Amino acid sequence: AQKVTQAQTEISVVEKEDVTLDCVYETRDTTYYLFWYKQPPSGELVFLIRRNSFDEQNEISGRYSWNFQKSTSSFNFTITASQVVDSAVYFCALSEETSGSRLTFGEGTQLTVNP
Amino acid sequence: DVKVTQSSRYLVKRTGEKVFLECVQDMDHENMFWYRQDPGLGLRLIYFSYDVKMKEKGDIPEGYSVSREKKERFSLILESASTNQTSMYLCASSFPHGQNYGYTFGSGTRLTVV
Repeated sequence: AQKVTQAQTEISVVEKEDVTLDCVYETRDTTYYLFWYKQPPSGELVFLIRRNSFDEQNEISGRYSWNFQKSTSSFNFTITASQVVDSAVYFCALSEETSGSRLTFGEGTQLTVNP
Repeated sequence: DVKVTQSSRYLVKRTGEKVFLECVQDMDHENMFWYRQDPGLGLRLIYFSYDVKMKEKGDIPEGYSVSREKKERFSLILESASTNQTSMYLCASSFPHGQNYGYTFGSGTRLTVV
């Protein structure tokens, strides 16, 4: 069965600090897809990234970067030079090839960036 | 702009009422999903559908049913609302495994059962 664990319930940083959000997943499939979503205080879930299991290249998008390591079943998310607008709940999620596109979420990490 | 629209942002219903939550997407997605979100529990999958008239149970289907008569519409039904169904309900849609920009979520319906 698929499972996603985000061990960090809450993180608080000061603006301009770098911060890494951890995500560990469990799956028996060899083909699967990993996602990160942002949920700001307004409540709507915003898609950040999708990564398939055959692509272990790290990705950078502006101040955001993702480190995918199959050896440790981790898909960590780093925000560089954090800003107050980054304050949100961040969710990691997993979809297995054999599970009919169902998306399983981690518990989420509440990130607070203080000025 | 692609959209998933949930019919109500806030709802207050009485215990025992039958409640319908409606969701419409305009992206021609095959898959549609209903989640509920509760503090400390993240998003939990109630039901999903990968085609018209098809449905699959998620992790917490008890007390709920769904209907998908048209590709763009996915309804969540609370047969007899109870106070423990007070929650935020989120609808989503996607192509298979979220290809092409992931899963798209609606703004949510905050349901209170009194």
